[in-house]
Amino acid sequence: AQSVTQLDSHVSVSEGTPVLLRCNYSSSYSPSLFWYVQHPNKGLQLLLKYTSAATLVKGINGFEAEFKKSETSFHLTKPSAHMSDAAEYFCVVSDRGNYQLIWGAGTKLIIKP
Amino acid sequence: GAVVSQHPSRVICKSGTSVKIECRSLDFQATTMFWYRQFPKQSLMLMATSNEGSKATYEQGVEKDKFLINHASLTLSTLTVTSAHPEDSSFYICSAREGTVQETQYFGPGTRLLVL
Repeated sequence: AQSVTQLDSHVSVSEGTPVLLRCNYSSSYSPSLFWYVQHPNKGLQLLLKYTSAATLVKGINGFEAEFKKSETSFHLTKPSAHMSDAAEYFCVVSDRGNYQLIWGAGTKLIIKP
Repeated sequence: GAVVSQHPSRVICKSGTSVKIECRSLDFQATTMFWYRQFPKQSLMLMATSNEGSKATYEQGVEKDKFLINHASLTLSTLTVTSAHPEDSSFYICSAREGTVQETQYFGPGTRLLVL
């Protein structure tokens, strides 16, 4: 069975400093992995996805994530946080059998001025 | 990019009434649509998966007679919460997938339901 664990429920960083949101997954086979962002009162937006191509995936708004099979991790990073990055972030793994999405619990990113 | 709309964005209803939520794919044909429920400060919970022209597949614990799903066309799916009760108050989100091989789902903005 596949599962996703987001290690931090809240992450607080100062504007202009790096962001690290951690995600570990469990999968029986090569997974597809996604990061989605949910801003207050807005729909979910796909930040980036990994589908067995390059292990370092670049997404929108300066975010990127690295797939590390040996560590079963897919952490999301950004070199410099912006106030507009404050939102809820979800790490998601896709079930290759039926393409259902399995969601992590979410990490709330707080940006301090 | 692919856009999914939901209507209404917010709805308040009295206990015992039924509420219909529409989900539309605006610029692509969605062979599969998904309905999720999100409780405050929690992750998304998949309720059901619907393929155009066939009956929806409900997740364990989701009452199919309570949450009626219709996917009558390639661009429209509806979720009807029948005889709504206060415990049905939640944020309902739909998503749509183009084709059967695609993994990427495109999400609607969500509908906030409050049952009084």
